[in-house]
Amino acid sequence: DAGVIQSPRHEVTEMGQEVTLRCKPISGHNSLFWYRQTMMRGLELLIYFNNNVPIDDSGMPEDRFSAKMPNASFSTLKIQPSEPRDSAVYFCASSHGTGSGALHFGNGTRLTVT
Amino acid sequence: QKEVEQNSGPLSVPEGAIASLNCTYSDRGSQSFFWYRQYSGKSPELIMFIYSNGDKEDGRFTAQLNKASQYVSLLIRDSQPSDSATYLCAVNQAGTALIFGKGTTLSVSS
Repeated sequence: DAGVIQSPRHEVTEMGQEVTLRCKPISGHNSLFWYRQTMMRGLELLIYFNNNVPIDDSGMPEDRFSAKMPNASFSTLKIQPSEPRDSAVYFCASSHGTGSGALHFGNGTRLTVT
Repeated sequence: QKEVEQNSGPLSVPEGAIASLNCTYSDRGSQSFFWYRQYSGKSPELIMFIYSNGDKEDGRFTAQLNKASQYVSLLIRDSQPSDSATYLCAVNQAGTALIFGKGTTLSVSS
């Protein structure tokens, strides 16, 4: 099993640019989560999907953030336009079922917005 | 606002000692409790979970839960330098996503 695969590993962009983060969950997992981690705020839930349907997006900071899961094997998190305060490590995780706490995390995408 | 609180540390213990990590949570409806370990620059990995009041042991790790006090702890016996990491406490209700604390950094000196 390849685990959860995220790309890119690192992203450096200028303020105002569009950023797209990608995630491939573990095959057979039906829940997918996007978290953001910073020193100040820790690991924050942004949005999660169950069977490709967004269940709770209350953690999405504002309209600049959007996430999609067009099929069971792919999800994107898009930031448009990006701002310096969006700089963080973005993790994607998957699990069997939303209520399962056994999350499998990807390696994360370190985003730097200058 | 559901919150999970942890002391940020660092918690420093000598090799071979017991490390005690603590966590409190605000939502009385929380049903499941988890401890994740995160090495510097890496992603979190699950090490323990507990659902019922009392203790649960797994090797050198013991998770303790007291729902009345809304308190979860993780004990690491015979601490090793390889245990040096940030430990994240997480909780959820049935059918909801995990809410994480900010983590406690543990440093085990040899």
